Amino acid sequence: EAQVTQNPRYLITVTGKKLTVTCSQNMNHEYMSWYRQDPGLGLRQIYYSMNVEVTDKGDVPEGYKVSRKEKRNFPLILESPSPNQTSLYFCASSSRQGAYTFGSGTRLTVV
Amino acid sequence: GEDVEQSLFLSVREGDSSVINCTYTDSSSTYLYWYKQEPGAGLQLLTYIFSNMDMKQDQRLTVLLNKKDKHLSLRIADTQTGDSAIYFCAESISNFGNEKLTFGTGTRLTIIP
Repeated sequence: EAQVTQNPRYLITVTGKKLTVTCSQNMNHEYMSWYRQDPGLGLRQIYYSMNVEVTDKGDVPEGYKVSRKEKRNFPLILESPSPNQTSLYFCASSSRQGAYTFGSGTRLTVV
Repeated sequence: GEDVEQSLFLSVREGDSSVINCTYTDSSSTYLYWYKQEPGAGLQLLTYIFSNMDMKQDQRLTVLLNKKDKHLSLRIADTQTGDSAIYFCAESISNFGNEKLTFGTGTRLTIIP
């Protein structure tokens, strides 16, 4: 089944403790993106990747890192999480403009 | 700049038509999308329209695009309880290869039995 898989689905962590949210797609898509969803703000792009080893900042990149060592994987790294990064995170992939397939989301709480 | 606006809530009686509206500001957008988000789930692509089209119909869904007014709407005919969800309008702007979607805040559709 064609899908984007994120892990974990839920995560509660403490301020400053490094964490990684994994994302994997099995559709051989070139484009991958991370979004965060916050009430009243819709979804905002954090980082995107056009292909392997090509990544760039989206609208809200501060406090996040990504890597794209393989085509299928696009992990999101929070080196020192803070409470304002409490949010619902979505990974998405696409083979063409905009028709993204989204993962099921990761709900992160930073206390 | 990019900005996509939607009303936050819509309530519709079961069996009636739902019309969800969206306005966008960036005239360079190439595709406009409607995504559906059910509780606890990711976003599911419902339909999309290329910016040089006026209308697209897909079963119960009709998308209308008024490019002059930068207005997009999604009509759901014969609304059912399974249509309860948050609906996001999104515009796609290709910016040096960034296939970026700019989303609206989402419209929560509630079906009244």
